[in-house]
Amino acid sequence: NAGVTQTPKFQVLKTGQSMTLQCAQDMNHNSMYWYRQDPGMGLRLIYYSASEGTTDKGEVPNGYNVSRLNKREFSLRLESAAPSQTSVYFCASIITLSGRTYEQYFGPGTRLTVT
Amino acid sequence: QKEVEQNSGPLSVPEGAIASLNCTYSDRVSQSFFWYRQYSGKSPELIMSIYSNGDKEDGRFTAQLNKASQYVSLLIRDSQPSDSATYLCAPGGGATNKLIFGTGTLLAVQP
Repeated sequence: NAGVTQTPKFQVLKTGQSMTLQCAQDMNHNSMYWYRQDPGMGLRLIYYSASEGTTDKGEVPNGYNVSRLNKREFSLRLESAAPSQTSVYFCASIITLSGRTYEQYFGPGTRLTVT
Repeated sequence: QKEVEQNSGPLSVPEGAIASLNCTYSDRVSQSFFWYRQYSGKSPELIMSIYSNGDKEDGRFTAQLNKASQYVSLLIRDSQPSDSATYLCAPGGGATNKLIFGTGTLLAVQP
C-alpha cells in the first residue's frame, strides 16, 4: 500500500453513533483523498485535501466531515452514522513524479457496517 | 452518460491468452490515465499510468491511449490465473489531480 495506513480495519456502529476513520502516509505526499466503495458503484470520492490546511468536497460528501491534521494525516468523521454509510472506505495519497505526472496509492481500507 | 464507462464483465479468457480491457471517458480535460487492479477484499493497486497518446508497455501489460476518441485500454499478454481480478480505469486531471473511477471490469483467467 506504498506507505498509506488506515485504522481501524473493521468497525460496526449502531445508527446515530459517531466515529473517526484515521489515515496517515509517510511519503511526504501533498494530496490526500477519501473514497467509499459500494458494490456496483465503484469508487466514489467523498472529500480530498490538495495540500495541508485545505479540504474540498468530492462527489458524495453528505454525512461526513474531514480534517487534515498535518501533512501526514487526513481523518474522516461520521457524526451520526446511518445504514447508508455501510461501505468500504479507502484513503489515498498522491505523489507527484515530475511535471504533470503523478500516481495515487491506496491504503488497505476500513470496512464499516452500520446497523 | 457516465463519466467513465467500462464493461462490467466478467471477461473470461483462457490461461496464456491476451486479455483486452477497454474504457471510455467523457471529460476531455483529462490528461492522466491510470489502471488499477483490485483483488476481492483488497485495496486497488496501481499497475499502469499513461499520459500521452499511443502505447506504453510494462512487462506483460500494455496501456493504449487515444485522447481524440476518449478511449484507453489495457492489454494483458500471457494471462495467468493470478491476473483474475477487477480492473479499474481512472482518468485524472485538473489542478487537484482528482481521479474519477469506472466501476471496473471483472477478469477471470481460466486455467
